[in-house]
Amino acid sequence: DAGVTQSPTHLIKTRGQHVTLRCSPISGHKSVSWYQQVLGQGPQFIFQYYEKEERGRGNFPDRFSARQFPNYSSELNVNALLLGDSALYLCASSRDLSTQYFGPGTRLTVL
Amino acid sequence: DQQVKQNSPSLSVQEGRISILNCDYTNSMFDYFLWYKKYPAEGPTFLISISSIKDKNEDGRFTVFLNKSAKHLSLHIVPSQPGDSAVYFCAARRYNFNKFYFGSGTKLNVKP
Repeated sequence: DAGVTQSPTHLIKTRGQHVTLRCSPISGHKSVSWYQQVLGQGPQFIFQYYEKEERGRGNFPDRFSARQFPNYSSELNVNALLLGDSALYLCASSRDLSTQYFGPGTRLTVL
Repeated sequence: DQQVKQNSPSLSVQEGRISILNCDYTNSMFDYFLWYKKYPAEGPTFLISISSIKDKNEDGRFTVFLNKSAKHLSLHIVPSQPGDSAVYFCAARRYNFNKFYFGSGTKLNVKP
């Protein structure tokens, strides 16, 4: 079975722009979570969606938003990009709300 | 507020010996713990997990120990292999909250 897929792999944006990151979960998984990982730190939780509903939210500003589609894929949107938003964005899927399986991530660079 | 801490940024071990990676947490409401391995340019790969109702879980060369009174988690790898060289993250989930907290990672280097 295919693992979690994310697109794009890399992205370069400038301050103030908007970005959309995409994630497809493992087949049969109904939950998707988003994480931000900056260099030297562990992943920081942003959102979790289960059955298309938001089930958890981390300490991120309202510039960050997400949604889950009927096929359980998900988008993470970030508005008004700041230099500090440069990071690896990870998507993880799970069948229920326990063990999460991660995708390869999207490397976002904000100039 | 760092609720999950990995105080050793790096660890170097000889091939064939035991690797012990440690993790401490502060929130007594955590009920589920996981270890992930991460290679450069890849997402974290799930290794092993343990529920708070257990104190040990074993899967092949990997064993996770949970000491709830000390709020301490450890991962033992026996025997260590060069392919185990990676960054290891511990993570914890708070009961009834759909949120996982990660430590900052320990970089393991297994020398041939």
